[in-house]
Amino acid sequence: AQTVTQSQPEMSVQEAETVTLSCTYDTSENNYYLFWYKQPPSRQMILVIRQEAYKQQNATENRFSVNFQKAAKSFSLKISDSQLGDTAMYFCAFMKRSAGNQFYFGTGTSLTVIP
Amino acid sequence: DTAVSQTPKYLVTQMGNDKSIKCEQNLGHDTMYWYKQDSKKFLKIMFSYNNKELIINETVPNRFSPKSPDKAHLNLHINSLELGDSAVYFCASSQFALFPGGGELFFGEGSRLTVL
Repeated sequence: AQTVTQSQPEMSVQEAETVTLSCTYDTSENNYYLFWYKQPPSRQMILVIRQEAYKQQNATENRFSVNFQKAAKSFSLKISDSQLGDTAMYFCAFMKRSAGNQFYFGTGTSLTVIP
Repeated sequence: DTAVSQTPKYLVTQMGNDKSIKCEQNLGHDTMYWYKQDSKKFLKIMFSYNNKELIINETVPNRFSPKSPDKAHLNLHINSLELGDSAVYFCASSQFALFPGGGELFFGEGSRLTVL
């Protein structure tokens, strides 16, 4: 079975600073995807960034980037120039690529951006 | 046009009642899911349907029964509601990632169920 671990239940960062959220996973699969989802107080789940395991290059989306270390099974999210709107729960997710994609979520990190 | 829509958004009911939450996706995805998010924000998979076929049925009470009349719909019916059923229930969909890109979950806005 796949497991996803987020070891930081809560984090805070000053506005405009950079913060890194950690995520590790355990799997014997070779073909999988990794995601970071954001859940603001509005409770809508929003995709932040995606990484395909076969790609060595780290994914980036504007101020969001990942550090994907496949051998170490680590998938951290870096948020640069933090904004107040980044305040949210962040979930790391692992997807086993198969018919009927199976997703496994971490327990989440609550991030607060301090003005 | 909302990609994954679920109704109702809020539901307050008494213990022992039966209730349903409906979900529809207009993305043409072949897989739909129900997740439960408790007060600690843990996301727990409940069910998954692929092309109307049940493929994931986690250990949930049999008071919970999913129904998928077609690929675009996955409804959740709950019998004999209990206090512990209070949570936010998310419907989601995804498409088998044949090509680079895709595969991610698209979530509905969630349905907050409160059992009194």
